[in-house]
Formats: sequence, structure tokens, C-alpha cells
Amino acid sequence: QSALTQPPSASGSPGQSVTISCTGTSSDVGAYNYVSWYQQHPGKAPKLMIYEVSKRPSGVPDRFSGSKSGNTASLTVSGLQAEDEADYYCSSYAGNKIVFGGGTKLTVL
Amino acid sequence: EVQLVESGGGLVKPGGSLRLSCAASGFTFSNAWVTWVRQAPGKGLEWVGRIRSNSNGGTPDYAAPVEGRFTISRDDSRNTLYLQMNSLKTEDTAVYYCATYSSGYSDNWGQGTLVTVSS
Repeated sequence: QSALTQPPSASGSPGQSVTISCTGTSSDVGAYNYVSWYQQHPGKAPKLMIYEVSKRPSGVPDRFSGSKSGNTASLTVSGLQAEDEADYYCSSYAGNKIVFGGGTKLTVL
Repeated sequence: EVQLVESGGGLVKPGGSLRLSCAASGFTFSNAWVTWVRQAPGKGLEWVGRIRSNSNGGTPDYAAPVEGRFTISRDDSRNTLYLQMNSLKTEDTAVYYCATYSSGYSDNWGQGTLVTVSS
């Protein structure tokens, strides 16, 4: 069982928005503003999409946004595009260790 | 351009040992905290551990499943990160990634190296 809980799947049509949740505890997501999100296409290394809850690295489209409320973080992808179809993982600092979610497969219909 | 290149993966029997390397370039490795993350076939990401820069003590932290069996070290003169894996179990079978680490996130990743533990 993964330390952070994500829905196994999510989907949306091109142009729509989709939100993926990531639920942790008061020892990880709820305790620190160090939540990050990664995108992984099949056979590829993960790519950082969001860090420190809501910051975007250079080069990541502003269609990707992150937020947090209590023990739950969220990733929203707006204006879905075909290339957004991938697995998405959340991650949180948890006091000298990192915990990941189980991953969400995002399908663009 | 930041580059991380893992090597050393392969097939090993249960109870055996293997050492992975991660060659870094394109940034000041000695100032960097670096981490190992693994992914079992068809499964999600799992944090293995990290090591601080030597200016921050150079000490490692490990995930519970590998503590006592795996050792993370670094050689700043060679710009290389290592993962020594002992007492390997079948459940250690995974692609192992090295990545830079900062404030709870990893912004640069290698391509990964596959470790298969099987008799």
C-alpha cells in the first residue's frame, strides 16, 4: 500500500480540465508545503511538473497547477491535450524521507 | 545541460549484491543533494534514499524496506553517486533512477537502470 493515496485513473476530453487528488496524513502532506507532482510517459523517466505545492518548473505549461488543503493535495490539468496522457505521481516530504502516491493514469479521451 | 547516467544494473540471485553508479555532469555535483528512486515493473515510484552534500554533512537517509541492506555514497571527485545493494530480495527488482534533490522534490532524473533479482 502506497503512503499517499491517488485515484488509479482519471480521464477527460481534449480541452477539458481534470483534477487528480493526493491524500496523505498530518505527518506528510499536511505537515509540509513540499508536495510535488511528476509526469511519466511509458518507458520514460519521471518529469517534475509541480514542486512546493504549486510552483511550476521552467518549461512546464501553465495548464498544470497544484494546490493543497489540509492533508490533500491536488493537480489540475486544464485544456487537456493528447500529450498529457501519462501516469502522474504525487510526492511529499515526510521528515527525512519522501513518500510517493500510487500513481494515476490520465487518459485523454 | 544537466545529465545523470545510471549504470551497473543486471541480473543477480537472491541474497546477492550489486553496486549501481550514477555519473553526473552539467552542474556542481559537490553542492547537490541526490537521491535514488525505484520502480518495480508495472508499479509506481518508490523512494529508496538520499544523500546530503558533504557541506551539509554528507549523511544518507533510507526508506524502511532497504535500511540496513542498501548504502548510498558519493565521490565528489568523480561526480558520481553510488548505491550498494546487499542481501537482495526478489522484491528489489526494479528500474533504479538517480535524481537531484531539493526541498522534497527531484528536478533532474537519469534514464534508469534495471535490476533483476531472480534465481
